[in-house]
Amino acid sequence: EPEVTQTPSHQVTQMGQEVILRCVPISNHLYFYWYRQILGQKVEFLVSFYNNEISEKSEIFDDQFSVERPDGSNFTLKIRSTKLEDSAMYFCASRQNQGSGEKLFFGSGTQLSVL
Amino acid sequence: AQSVTQPDIHITVSEGASLELRCNYSYGATPYLFWYVQSPGQGLQLLLKYFSGDTLVQGIKGFEAEFKRSQSSFNLRKPSVHWSDAAEYFCAVGSGGYQKVTFGTGTKLQVIP
Repeated sequence: EPEVTQTPSHQVTQMGQEVILRCVPISNHLYFYWYRQILGQKVEFLVSFYNNEISEKSEIFDDQFSVERPDGSNFTLKIRSTKLEDSAMYFCASRQNQGSGEKLFFGSGTQLSVL
Repeated sequence: AQSVTQPDIHITVSEGASLELRCNYSYGATPYLFWYVQSPGQGLQLLLKYFSGDTLVQGIKGFEAEFKRSQSSFNLRKPSVHWSDAAEYFCAVGSGGYQKVTFGTGTKLQVIP
């Protein structure tokens, strides 16, 4: 089965630093997503991205967050100035099209630890 | 707004026993419903989904779920649990369209020999 790839699997950063989480969605997919899961809490939607622009974002996704598809294969999530509460597992996901039968494929996640 | 409730935080079953994980949703229209499984250190794997049609949905690894509109439920079942089923299970509801998915808080399954 095709896979969504996320790197690194674990990132440690100092509070106030910028981090970029990287994802390689499945090659023929058109819709891209970021979700996060704070330890012990549920998985939360952050943002969806289609046709090189954000299509929907949650209230969590404030001005400190941005997404980009810089080269047609990678899909990145940038946190400009990390806070302690940004520590979480971040999941990238992608799917091929908007059809109701389409499956959302998730990556294995990047565990972000902000110290 | 859509929401999902998984009332059981932690469930322990014996290997070979049957399993039912509960899920209740809140959504205005016909929901898109999912069950995902997350093993330690792994991503989210889709077990099964319901969009329309037959209310009993078969998934991978021997799991099934039944959509009951009158009860706003989408419970996950497996007739005989294996030790490898130990994981965290998430019920989710999708909004269609761009398919923003809202997850429940998860149920952690422990399987004892």
